[in-house]
Amino acid sequence: EIVLTQSPGTLSLSPGEKVTLSCRASQSVSNSYLAWYQQKPGQAPRLLLYGASSRATGIPDRFSGSGSGTDFTLTISRLEPEDFAVYFCQQYGSSSTYSFGQGTKLEIK
Amino acid sequence: QVQLQESGPGLVKPSQTLSLTCTVAGGSISSGVYYWGWIRQPAGKGLEWIGRIHPSGSTIYNPSLKSRVTISVDTSKNQFSLKLSSVTAADTAVYFCASCSGWVFDYWGQGTLVTVSS
Repeated sequence: EIVLTQSPGTLSLSPGEKVTLSCRASQSVSNSYLAWYQQKPGQAPRLLLYGASSRATGIPDRFSGSGSGTDFTLTISRLEPEDFAVYFCQQYGSSSTYSFGQGTKLEIK
Repeated sequence: QVQLQESGPGLVKPSQTLSLTCTVAGGSISSGVYYWGWIRQPAGKGLEWIGRIHPSGSTIYNPSLKSRVTISVDTSKNQFSLKLSSVTAADTAVYFCASCSGWVFDYWGQGTLVTVSS
């Protein structure tokens, strides 16, 4: 089973700042099979990026993703008030199983 | 756009079986475009994938839950279901159903809280 480790656990930032979130895998993940989700309190997660860097429908271009192998990042170029939430990475791997990272919480400073 | 809605008891006794249903709207569950999956989230914690099913009935489960999980599909009702047996307090969580286009979870239900308690 591939374990995804996200860092940091919590980030305190201000609107307008740029932020980069990290997702590290215990084994190599195919780029096609790495996704990012955003979750706000009391809501279901929302798909942001798939294939490590492709934005899902309706996702603003301030969200971008990169990485390969075991190291992936999600970057928000300029934080908007609605971006303060928890972000999860997710992989699809061998044996057709899935796993999620433990999440990074973005909070307003 | 596909819409999903979970339903089922919010309270289950320890050692019993948790049963949830997900009703799909806005598309046919048997179209073959999507797989259909279940994910859970204990309060204040991360997401745990439970399993997925193809409209043909083929399933894949999280190895850590495999011995207790059954996911089934009812194409006539446009629904799929989750059964988790021998539950304990550790199974208390919000349970989400979602559409799965192979390797990502595109659309999610709002989630339903299931508490395991006597």
